[in-house]
Amino acid sequence: DAGITQSPRHKVTETGTPVTLRCHQTENHRYMYWYRQDPGHGLRLIHYSYGVKDTDKGEVSDGYSVSRSKTEDFLLTLESATSSQTSVYFCAISVGTGELFFGEGSRLTVL
Amino acid sequence: DQQVKQNSPSLSVQEGRISILNCDYTNSMFDYFLWYKKYPAEGPTFLISISSIKDKNEDGRFTVFLNKSAKHLSLHIVPSQPGDSAVYFCAASDSGGSNYKLTFGKGTLLTVNP
Repeated sequence: DAGITQSPRHKVTETGTPVTLRCHQTENHRYMYWYRQDPGHGLRLIHYSYGVKDTDKGEVSDGYSVSRSKTEDFLLTLESATSSQTSVYFCAISVGTGELFFGEGSRLTVL
Repeated sequence: DQQVKQNSPSLSVQEGRISILNCDYTNSMFDYFLWYKKYPAEGPTFLISISSIKDKNEDGRFTVFLNKSAKHLSLHIVPSQPGDSAVYFCAASDSGGSNYKLTFGKGTLLTVNP
């Protein structure tokens, strides 16, 4: 058990509203990631972090921002949600062995 | 440009038979390859991996084969069981400097029929 908790697990919101998803880890792993999963696209990297206040973009970062003020928390923010951001969002951590361990996902619906 | 490709969206096999899932990659910098399994409403779980210095890695019923010259890997499941029914994702990384980022394929839905 990699000790990853995502919240909220489900959220329905309206276009134009801000949304923040939280990923919390119980161990002090340096690397954290946000992916989205969509039918026909697999898992795509949005942003990742390699330490407190150290973040970088992934392949689908437009419309998203992240913050990491503490080792254990990695936040994903949609400043103004759009219907194209309806997706399942997964947080992951690296324990340094090459594998990533994923949380259970946050399902976001933007109406 | 898709760097990791899983060209079969779905695969159906009979219980007890072999399941073979395929994956191709285009980035020559990739040197570590993984397979993940995903059930509905759950996060992906790590299944098996292989480094580019090997051409085969085995773990119980699961074997991954790597053909570097063809930039191709495959996952063999023998014997297949109904509980293996899930989406399987192939993933790859450049262990030399990618911050452990993984690039995923689109996934293959495996259905094992009793």
